[in-house]
Amino acid sequence: NAGVTQTPKFRVLKTGQSMTLLCAQDMNHEYMYWYRQDPGMGLRLIHYSVGEGTTAKGEVPDGYNVSRLKKQNFLLGLESAAPSQTSVYFCASSYSKSGGNQPQHFGDGTRLSIL
Amino acid sequence: GQSLEQPSEVTAVEGAIVQINCTYQTSGFYGLSWYQQHDGGAPTFLSYNALDGLEETGRFSSFLSRSDSYGYLLLQELQMKDSASYFCAENRGSTLGRLYFGRGTQLTVWP
Repeated sequence: NAGVTQTPKFRVLKTGQSMTLLCAQDMNHEYMYWYRQDPGMGLRLIHYSVGEGTTAKGEVPDGYNVSRLKKQNFLLGLESAAPSQTSVYFCASSYSKSGGNQPQHFGDGTRLSIL
Repeated sequence: GQSLEQPSEVTAVEGAIVQINCTYQTSGFYGLSWYQQHDGGAPTFLSYNALDGLEETGRFSSFLSRSDSYGYLLLQELQMKDSASYFCAENRGSTLGRLYFGRGTQLTVWP
């Protein structure tokens, strides 16, 4: 029962470096999401995807890019990391639109520090 | 933005009942979900309300009043393991599948 798997779990970057966070789900879910969680701010949506090959902006998309080349994978990229991007990043997936019987399933998070 | 309002902290003792309120302000409201998060780990789904009334799932219940733009999560027979953060999350629109989360309520259960 893997569910939603995020890699890496921890990472420290220097300002200006780039990296990609990987999210994989094995539940055949159509929708996938990337959130960031900062102290006292709850979860804020960065980007999301409603199916393979599609992406859309969320509430806080600036400085991030995403790709959904395969249905099971959703990648989050930071092209030039900034200290303001220090956060915990959560990936989630759902069978279809969230709500009712279609809750979002979350990964364990990636803790990212930008120095 | 985050237009959902919920208390930042709630404390209670084991065996007690606690209610976590959530108010929302949007014309595109579709439904309200509740998620639990232990110690910064993966949030997990608790319940969902799209219609007015009470939804019961074991010790947890969730209530919605669309006319008051208000909902709450009710936790009964509190246990130490219920100490966690609880988030209300709003569905807006019937097609986008997005959730808008509140800032969370930290529940501490004392023995």
